[in-house]
Amino acid sequence: DVKVTQSSRYLVKRTGEKVFLECVQDMDHENMFWYRQDPGLGLRLIYFSYDVKMKEKGDIPEGYSVSREKKERFSLILESASTNQTSMYLCASSNGGTVSQETQYFGPGTRLLVL
Amino acid sequence: QQPVQSPQAVILREGEDAVINCSSSKALYSVHWYRQKHGEAPVFLMILLKGGEQKGHEKISASFNEKKQQSSLYLTASQLSYSGTYFCGTELTYNTDKLIFGTGTRLQVFP
Repeated sequence: DVKVTQSSRYLVKRTGEKVFLECVQDMDHENMFWYRQDPGLGLRLIYFSYDVKMKEKGDIPEGYSVSREKKERFSLILESASTNQTSMYLCASSNGGTVSQETQYFGPGTRLLVL
Repeated sequence: QQPVQSPQAVILREGEDAVINCSSSKALYSVHWYRQKHGEAPVFLMILLKGGEQKGHEKISASFNEKKQQSSLYLTASQLSYSGTYFCGTELTYNTDKLIFGTGTRLQVFP
């Protein structure tokens, strides 16, 4: 059974703080993704990674960076949190090859509030 | 670039049917459907590949019209467990490893 875990379910931070969101998957998946979810906007891709040390920008990468030092772990970093980054953040992983052959498995999400 | 889903929200009684549509302005290679229950992670339902196939999963099925760049999700004889938000994820090109998700359709089923 695939499991994707995220370090926190809820997080409250202050404007300007550096924020780390951690995601771990236990199925040896090649691909990992970070999305943010906002009402009426659906899921929007921030960054994704095909392999260790590799990263690709998604549709809304501004204000974010990522790190993938180990295959099972993908971190999302907010260098200087701002109130417009208040959102639900979802991590997902998939088995590589082509996404069209494989589903993405999602974590439970981290609800981040920036004050 | 983000696909548009319609309707934005649906309210049903148990046993009623619903159709959720996903339209893209770009040519699609595949469409993925997910359901997310309140407070939970999105869960995969099905993939439709280019070729216009239709798929079914219990009482939930979907079609993909690549010429119209549209996919529809059909829920028949809805159950309380069908409540949640439905998302389509579109893949524009083979092997991009990247999905663009729609805006979501919230479905509520009442007894």
